[in-house]
Amino acid sequence: SQQGEEDPQALSIQEGENATMNCSYKTSINNLQWYRQNSGRGLVHLILIRSNEREKHSGRLRVTLDTSKKSSSLLITASRAADTASYFCATDWNNDMRFGAGTRLTVKP
Amino acid sequence: DAMVIQNPRYQVTQFGKPVTLSCSQTLNHNVMYWYQQKSSQAPKLLFHYYDKDFNNEADTPDNFQSRRPNTSFCFLDIRSPGLGDAAMYLCATSETLGLNTQYFGPGTRLTVL
Repeated sequence: SQQGEEDPQALSIQEGENATMNCSYKTSINNLQWYRQNSGRGLVHLILIRSNEREKHSGRLRVTLDTSKKSSSLLITASRAADTASYFCATDWNNDMRFGAGTRLTVKP
Repeated sequence: DAMVIQNPRYQVTQFGKPVTLSCSQTLNHNVMYWYQQKSSQAPKLLFHYYDKDFNNEADTPDNFQSRRPNTSFCFLDIRSPGLGDAAMYLCATSETLGLNTQYFGPGTRLTVL
Protein backbone atom coordinates (compact mmCIF):
# COMPACT_ATOMS: atom_id res chain seq x y z
CA SER A 1 0.00 0.00 0.00
CA GLN A 2 1.18 3.49 -0.74
CA GLN A 3 -0.38 4.78 2.44
CA GLY A 4 2.02 6.18 5.02
CA GLU A 5 2.12 4.80 8.52
CA GLU A 6 2.94 7.09 11.40
CA ASP A 7 4.86 6.16 14.48
CA PRO A 8 4.15 6.53 17.33
CA GLN A 9 0.36 6.49 17.30
CA ALA A 10 0.33 8.77 20.33
CA LEU A 11 2.96 10.99 21.92
CA SER A 12 2.74 13.00 25.14
CA ILE A 13 5.42 15.55 26.06
CA GLN A 14 5.95 18.60 28.25
CA GLU A 15 5.86 22.09 26.85
CA GLY A 16 9.31 23.13 25.66
CA GLU A 17 10.38 19.62 24.70
CA ASN A 18 10.90 18.48 21.14
CA ALA A 19 8.48 16.11 19.44
CA THR A 20 9.49 13.69 16.72
CA MET A 21 7.03 11.78 14.58
CA ASN A 22 7.91 9.26 11.93
CA CYS A 23 6.22 8.17 8.75
CA SER A 24 7.02 5.06 6.74
CA TYR A 25 5.64 4.13 3.36
CA LYS A 26 5.97 1.25 0.95
CA THR A 27 6.01 2.55 -2.62
CA SER A 28 7.65 5.29 -4.65
CA ILE A 29 6.62 8.86 -4.05
CA ASN A 30 6.74 12.19 -5.87
CA ASN A 31 6.46 14.11 -2.66
CA LEU A 32 5.47 13.74 0.95
CA GLN A 33 3.44 16.21 2.95
CA TRP A 34 2.69 16.73 6.61
CA TYR A 35 -0.63 18.03 7.86
CA ARG A 36 -1.96 18.99 11.28
CA GLN A 37 -5.50 18.44 12.48
CA ASN A 38 -6.91 19.99 15.60
CA SER A 39 -9.68 18.01 17.24
CA GLY A 40 -12.90 18.12 15.21
CA ARG A 41 -11.42 20.35 12.53
CA GLY A 42 -10.07 20.10 9.01
CA LEU A 43 -6.46 19.43 8.14
CA VAL A 44 -3.93 22.20 7.75
CA HIS A 45 -0.95 21.82 5.47
CA LEU A 46 2.39 22.19 7.24
CA ILE A 47 5.15 21.34 4.82
CA LEU A 48 5.83 19.54 1.55
CA ILE A 49 9.08 17.79 0.74
CA ARG A 50 9.84 16.55 -2.74
CA SER A 51 11.34 13.17 -3.40
CA ASN A 52 14.68 14.72 -4.39
CA GLU A 53 14.92 16.74 -1.18
CA ARG A 54 16.33 15.47 2.09
CA GLU A 55 15.40 18.14 4.59
CA LYS A 56 13.15 21.17 4.87
CA HIS A 57 12.52 23.68 7.60
CA SER A 58 9.59 25.90 8.39
CA GLY A 59 9.74 27.84 11.62
CA ARG A 60 9.88 25.29 14.44
CA LEU A 61 9.26 22.42 12.03
CA ARG A 62 11.93 20.27 10.48
CA VAL A 63 11.09 17.50 8.04
CA THR A 64 13.51 14.91 6.75
CA LEU A 65 13.01 12.41 3.97
CA ASP A 66 15.00 9.25 3.35
CA THR A 67 13.74 7.66 0.15
CA SER A 68 16.15 4.73 0.51
CA LYS A 69 14.44 3.81 3.78
CA LYS A 70 11.04 5.03 2.60
CA SER A 71 10.64 7.12 5.70
CA SER A 72 10.15 10.69 6.81
CA SER A 73 10.25 12.41 10.15
CA LEU A 74 8.63 15.56 11.47
CA LEU A 75 10.41 17.35 14.30
CA ILE A 76 8.65 20.09 16.24
CA THR A 77 11.11 21.99 18.39
CA ALA A 78 10.30 23.87 21.61
CA SER A 79 6.76 22.53 21.63
CA ARG A 80 3.82 24.56 22.90
CA ALA A 81 0.45 23.54 24.28
CA ALA A 82 -1.06 24.88 21.06
CA ASP A 83 0.83 22.20 19.12
CA THR A 84 -1.52 19.60 20.60
CA ALA A 85 -3.14 18.00 17.55
CA SER A 86 -2.99 14.99 15.27
CA TYR A 87 -0.26 14.99 12.66
CA PHE A 88 -0.63 13.13 9.38
CA CYS A 89 1.82 12.35 6.66
CA ALA A 90 0.51 12.07 3.13
CA THR A 91 2.38 10.42 0.29
CA ASP A 92 1.84 11.50 -3.30
CA TRP A 93 2.59 9.24 -6.25
CA ASN A 94 1.37 10.10 -9.73
CA ASN A 95 -1.28 12.51 -8.48
CA ASP A 96 -2.59 9.97 -6.00
CA MET A 97 -2.26 11.23 -2.41
CA ARG A 98 -2.85 8.97 0.57
CA PHE A 99 -2.89 9.81 4.26
CA GLY A 100 -1.51 7.77 7.10
CA ALA A 101 -3.42 7.15 10.32
CA GLY A 102 -1.67 9.95 12.17
CA THR A 103 0.18 10.61 15.40
CA ARG A 104 -1.79 12.15 18.23
CA LEU A 105 0.50 14.68 19.97
CA THR A 106 -0.35 16.04 23.40
CA VAL A 107 1.77 18.87 24.77
CA LYS A 108 1.25 19.41 28.48
CA PRO A 109 1.63 22.96 29.81
CA ASP B 1 -9.92 35.58 3.09
CA ALA B 2 -9.86 32.80 0.53
CA MET B 3 -11.11 29.64 2.07
CA VAL B 4 -12.97 26.34 1.91
CA ILE B 5 -16.37 26.41 3.54
CA GLN B 6 -18.47 23.44 4.55
CA ASN B 7 -22.10 23.50 5.52
CA PRO B 8 -23.52 22.40 7.78
CA ARG B 9 -20.83 21.77 10.39
CA TYR B 10 -23.03 19.17 12.06
CA GLN B 11 -25.66 17.08 10.32
CA VAL B 12 -27.99 14.55 11.86
CA THR B 13 -29.96 12.24 9.63
CA GLN B 14 -31.98 9.09 10.00
CA PHE B 15 -31.00 5.69 8.77
CA GLY B 16 -31.86 5.52 5.07
CA LYS B 17 -32.79 9.20 4.72
CA PRO B 18 -30.84 10.93 1.92
CA VAL B 19 -28.53 13.71 2.99
CA THR B 20 -26.47 16.28 1.11
CA LEU B 21 -23.33 17.95 2.39
CA SER B 22 -22.09 21.16 0.85
CA CYS B 23 -18.64 22.56 0.12
CA SER B 24 -17.70 25.86 -1.44
CA GLN B 25 -14.35 27.48 -2.14
CA THR B 26 -13.13 30.96 -2.91
CA LEU B 27 -9.66 29.80 -3.97
CA ASN B 28 -10.69 29.19 -7.58
CA HIS B 29 -8.94 25.84 -7.44
CA ASN B 30 -9.43 23.28 -10.18
CA VAL B 31 -9.60 20.23 -7.96
CA MET B 32 -12.10 19.48 -5.22
CA TYR B 33 -11.96 16.39 -3.01
CA TRP B 34 -14.26 14.62 -0.59
CA TYR B 35 -12.82 12.57 2.25
CA GLN B 36 -14.45 10.43 4.91
CA GLN B 37 -12.70 10.33 8.27
CA LYS B 38 -13.74 8.08 11.10
CA SER B 39 -12.51 8.51 14.64
CA SER B 40 -8.73 8.14 15.03
CA GLN B 41 -8.35 7.08 11.40
CA ALA B 42 -6.77 8.51 8.30
CA PRO B 43 -8.91 10.58 5.97
CA LYS B 44 -10.14 8.26 3.24
CA LEU B 45 -10.55 9.73 -0.22
CA LEU B 46 -14.00 9.11 -1.67
CA PHE B 47 -13.64 10.96 -4.99
CA HIS B 48 -12.39 14.12 -6.56
CA TYR B 49 -13.25 16.46 -9.40
CA TYR B 50 -10.61 17.90 -11.67
CA ASP B 51 -12.62 20.73 -13.15
CA LYS B 52 -15.69 18.86 -14.39
CA ASP B 53 -14.01 15.48 -14.61
CA PHE B 54 -15.21 13.15 -11.88
CA ASN B 55 -12.79 10.59 -10.46
CA ASN B 56 -14.25 7.95 -8.18
CA GLU B 57 -12.10 5.83 -5.91
CA ALA B 58 -12.49 2.14 -6.64
CA ASP B 59 -13.70 1.28 -3.15
CA THR B 60 -16.15 4.15 -2.72
CA PRO B 61 -19.63 2.68 -2.24
CA ASP B 62 -22.32 3.52 -4.80
CA ASN B 63 -24.26 5.02 -1.91
CA PHE B 64 -21.97 8.05 -2.19
CA GLN B 65 -22.41 10.44 -5.08
CA SER B 66 -21.06 13.88 -5.86
CA ARG B 67 -21.97 16.89 -7.94
CA ARG B 68 -19.95 19.89 -8.96
CA PRO B 69 -22.25 22.38 -10.68
CA ASN B 70 -19.53 25.04 -10.99
CA THR B 71 -15.96 25.76 -9.95
CA SER B 72 -16.93 27.01 -6.52
CA PHE B 73 -19.33 24.36 -5.26
CA CYS B 74 -19.20 20.64 -4.72
CA PHE B 75 -21.81 18.45 -3.04
CA LEU B 76 -21.66 15.05 -1.41
CA ASP B 77 -24.88 13.08 -1.60
CA ILE B 78 -25.40 10.03 0.57
CA ARG B 79 -28.40 8.28 -0.89
CA SER B 80 -29.24 5.90 1.93
CA PRO B 81 -27.08 6.55 4.98
CA GLY B 82 -26.26 3.61 7.16
CA LEU B 83 -24.94 3.62 10.70
CA GLY B 84 -21.49 2.92 9.31
CA ASP B 85 -21.55 6.18 7.38
CA ALA B 86 -21.41 8.25 10.54
CA ALA B 87 -18.13 10.12 10.25
CA MET B 88 -16.48 13.46 9.63
CA TYR B 89 -16.66 14.44 5.96
CA LEU B 90 -13.88 16.70 4.80
CA CYS B 91 -13.83 18.75 1.64
CA ALA B 92 -10.51 19.88 0.23
CA THR B 93 -9.25 21.76 -2.79
CA SER B 94 -6.00 22.02 -4.67
CA GLU B 95 -4.88 24.21 -7.51
CA THR B 96 -4.05 21.25 -9.65
CA LEU B 97 -2.96 17.64 -9.39
CA GLY B 98 0.68 16.87 -8.71
CA LEU B 99 2.57 18.68 -5.95
CA ASN B 100 -0.95 19.15 -4.75
CA THR B 101 -1.01 20.91 -1.43
CA GLN B 102 -4.60 20.53 -0.31
CA TYR B 103 -6.65 23.11 1.53
CA PHE B 104 -9.27 21.67 3.80
CA GLY B 105 -12.57 22.90 5.06
CA PRO B 106 -13.53 22.48 8.72
CA GLY B 107 -15.54 19.34 8.00
CA THR B 108 -19.12 18.21 8.52
CA ARG B 109 -19.78 15.78 11.36
CA LEU B 110 -22.51 13.39 10.22
CA THR B 111 -24.57 11.47 12.76
CA VAL B 112 -26.89 8.71 11.60
CA LEU B 113 -29.69 7.74 13.97
